[in-house]
Amino acid sequence: DTGVSQDPRHKITKRGQNVTFRCDPISEHNRLYWYRQTLGQGPEFLTYFQNEAQLEKSRLLSDRFSAERPKGSFSTLEIQRTEQGDSAMYLCASMVIRRVPGELFFGEGSRLTVL
Amino acid sequence: GDSVTQMEGPVTLSEEAFLTINCTYTATGYPSLFWYVQYPGEGLQLLLKATKADDKGSNKGFEATYRKETTSFHLEKGSVQVSDSAVYFCALKSNTGNQFYFGTGTSLTVIP
Repeated sequence: DTGVSQDPRHKITKRGQNVTFRCDPISEHNRLYWYRQTLGQGPEFLTYFQNEAQLEKSRLLSDRFSAERPKGSFSTLEIQRTEQGDSAMYLCASMVIRRVPGELFFGEGSRLTVL
Repeated sequence: GDSVTQMEGPVTLSEEAFLTINCTYTATGYPSLFWYVQYPGEGLQLLLKATKADDKGSNKGFEATYRKETTSFHLEKGSVQVSDSAVYFCALKSNTGNQFYFGTGTSLTVIP
C-alpha cells in the first residue's frame, strides 16, 4: 500500500500521560499536514511541514503539542500531559506542491481517547 | 479569516434521487475549492475541485460549480446510489496561504 499511513489507529490513555502519533506520507510528497477532527466537525488545521521545516502552526496547537518531521519523511505528533479535551481523531495528510493546488491525501487517522 | 459553511445533515435520500449539498465560503482573493468524501471506515479523499470562478469540477457523476458572485460551491448529483452513502466535506485553500479549511461535513445515507 502506497498511501498515507498512521500509527497507532487507536490510543486509549489516562489523563496526564504523553502520547505520540506517527504519520508516514506518500514517499514523494513534500508537504505534510496534521489536522484534528472531533465528532460532527470537519478537520481543523493544526500544523504543516514543507520537507523538514514546520512552516505554520495553528493557535489550536498549545505548548503541550509538538510535531516534528526529521529528514522530511515521516512525522510525529506528540501530546504531553493529555487532557480529556484532547480526545479526537488526529489526521495526517500529504501532498505534492504544484502551481495549481493539488489534492490532499489523507491517512485513516489516529483516534485518541483520554480517560 | 477564511472559512467554509456547509449544509447541515444528516441527509437521507432514496436511490436515484437528486442530491444537493450546499456550501458557501468566506475568503480573501481567489481560493481554490474542493469537495472531499469520507466513506465508512476510510480516510478522506478528494472528490472534485475547481480553481477559478465559473470552473466546474466533476467526478463519479458529482458536479460543483465555483460561483464567485454567490461565494458558493454546491455539490450536486442527478441520481444517487447506495454506494454514495458517505460524509461529504467542502473545503477551500486560499491563494495567499497553504492551509486548507474544511466545513463540518454532511452525512448522506442513500436507501434502496
